[in-house]
Amino acid sequence: DADVTQTPRNRITKTGKRIMLECSQTKGHDRMYWYRQDPGLGLRLIYYSFDVKDINKGEISDGYSVSRQAQAKFSLSLESAIPNQTALYFCATAPRYRRKDTDTQYFGPGTRLTVL
Amino acid sequence: KNEVEQSPQNLTAQEGEFITINCSYSVGISALHWLQQHPGGGIVSLFMLSSGKKKHGRLIATINIQEKHSSLHITASHPRDSAVYICAVSLFTDKLIFGTGTRLQVFP
Repeated sequence: DADVTQTPRNRITKTGKRIMLECSQTKGHDRMYWYRQDPGLGLRLIYYSFDVKDINKGEISDGYSVSRQAQAKFSLSLESAIPNQTALYFCATAPRYRRKDTDTQYFGPGTRLTVL
Repeated sequence: KNEVEQSPQNLTAQEGEFITINCSYSVGISALHWLQQHPGGGIVSLFMLSSGKKKHGRLIATINIQEKHSSLHITASHPRDSAVYICAVSLFTDKLIFGTGTRLQVFP
């Protein structure tokens, strides 16, 4: 079984709808991240969390919200989806301690979201 | 100007060729990462390095901290190496800054 899972894998929705993307991990990691990927652009950070009580905005958080329900679960919500939120969304995890060689982030398989 | 620049953006090769992908960055970093994104979209980490060179199978990653430059080499390329290769840097925080990726296609 995959260590980092995302649901759904694909979603088509309409403008104005509320959408939730879910991420679960079995790696026991404290740090979790949400990114979006657009063609021709690098991955951009939306939100990140270092534990259940710690939520931080990334560089493009407008229009998004998150919930860290448990150490293993981190959800991304689009309260009112708009077409320019059409993108590939990735969840990633990393362990808490930043010893050398533990900075690697582990990515989920991605969710392809289309907003019509 | 992006803080992480990759070149080339697209690369095609014949099976067996030696391939080099370059990454330059303009900020102080704690580490540099090379990631591979498969055609299906999944992303896996290939290397994390802060100095010198690392090797894993046919893949070699090098970094020159003074010149703020890293290279990813693939020896004896194979069609299964076809993917997007992404360079990312760790700042002295828990966040990464990503390059836009290099799309590699290896033909038989």
